[in-house]
Amino acid sequence: SQTIHQWPATLVQPVGSPLSLECTVEGTSNPNLYWYRQAAGRGLQLLFYSVGIGQISSEVPQNLSASRPQDRQFILSSKKLLLSDSGFYLCAWSVDGTSTDTQYFGPGTRLTVL
Amino acid sequence: AQSVAQPEDQVNVAEGNPLTVKCTYSVSGNPYLFWYVQYPNRGLQFLLKYITGDNLVKGSYGFEAEFNKSQTSFHLKKPSALVSDSALYFCAVNNAGNMLTFGGGTRLMVKP
Repeated sequence: SQTIHQWPATLVQPVGSPLSLECTVEGTSNPNLYWYRQAAGRGLQLLFYSVGIGQISSEVPQNLSASRPQDRQFILSSKKLLLSDSGFYLCAWSVDGTSTDTQYFGPGTRLTVL
Repeated sequence: AQSVAQPEDQVNVAEGNPLTVKCTYSVSGNPYLFWYVQYPNRGLQFLLKYITGDNLVKGSYGFEAEFNKSQTSFHLKKPSALVSDSALYFCAVNNAGNMLTFGGGTRLMVKP
């Protein structure tokens, strides 16, 4: 069966520091991968998605970037964190990225920027 | 463009009573609709989805949802609520490939 991991689970970082969040998927090949941010415990905003190694699509221009160095690894980064980057970051995967495809979510990373 | 509305921020129900969490959608073309549940400080768990066919979709943990094309709705239901069903519920729509659009979420509180 497929599993998705995210780490770290929680992170507290000062403003201006760098960020690296990691997501890995097991039990599948060539998944579509997604990064979402959930602010204030409610709505989810799609940040990035990837259909393959090195292929990244950005949905919202911002202080963050994403990379996919390996088939089942998706990384969210920032060079300098802002207070507004605080939130709950969720990684998800799907089989083929079609409209009927189900996205499956990881456990999330809670980021607090102070 | 596609959008989802969850008109209730919170739904309160007594344990053992039926529950309904409302969702309406707006899409051009065929709507593919999803429900997810989120427990505190956890990721989203997939409950069920509607693609085509029978308007009543059955999912995990005894939940079901009814697709109503004329009312553009996809309400989540359960015949008998449990305290453990208390969580945040999200409706989502997708008819644009990788663009899954979520509603704002509804907090379900089931009281003993």
